[in-house]
Amino acid sequence: AQTVTQSQPEMSVQEAETVTLSCTYDTSESDYYLFWYKQPPSRQMILVIRQEAYKQQNATENRFSVNFQKAAKSFSLKISDSQLGDAAMYFCAYRDGGATNKLIFGTGTLLAVQP
Amino acid sequence: NAGVTQTPKFQVLKTGQSMTLQCAQDMNHNSMYWYRQDPGMGLRLIYYSASEGTTDKGEVPNGYNVSRLNKREFSLRLESAAPSQTSVYFCATHPRQGGGGYGYTFGSGTRLTVV
Repeated sequence: AQTVTQSQPEMSVQEAETVTLSCTYDTSESDYYLFWYKQPPSRQMILVIRQEAYKQQNATENRFSVNFQKAAKSFSLKISDSQLGDAAMYFCAYRDGGATNKLIFGTGTLLAVQP
Repeated sequence: NAGVTQTPKFQVLKTGQSMTLQCAQDMNHNSMYWYRQDPGMGLRLIYYSASEGTTDKGEVPNGYNVSRLNKREFSLRLESAAPSQTSVYFCATHPRQGGGGYGYTFGSGTRLTVV
């Protein structure tokens, strides 16, 4: 069965600095997708960035980028120029290419941003 | 454009009571999902409906039942609530059966407390 591991329960970063959140996953599939979701105190789940496993190029969305290492099964999220509004719980998630589209989530990393 | 609407947003139940969590979407998405979120455990899949007319168990289905009433609506029922079912419940949707790089669209969640 596929699993997703986030080994950092909490992280802290200074405003304007860069922080990297770690995620590893385990799968025997070759076709899959990886996601980072942000959950602010409002509880809303917000898609931050996605990566298709067949793409070698790392995904980037403004200040958010990933380091996708397929062989190592690693998918880290880098947040550059951190802002107070980035403070949230971040979840890494995996989905295989099958018909059910089931997402498997990690346990989350709570990011604090210090002014 | 409402997206995914969950009702109620908050609920307190006594042990043994029953209730139904409602989820409705107006995006014409095919697949719908129910997750529960517990501290330190991320989001875990309870049940899902890959398409209208089908439902399947997820990772933690015990104590729950679901109904895919039509393409728009997917309800989660607790027949006899237990304190272990105290959690935040999320409904989510996906555009289509069969993958693609789309992320989920989430509802705003229901905080359920069983006393």
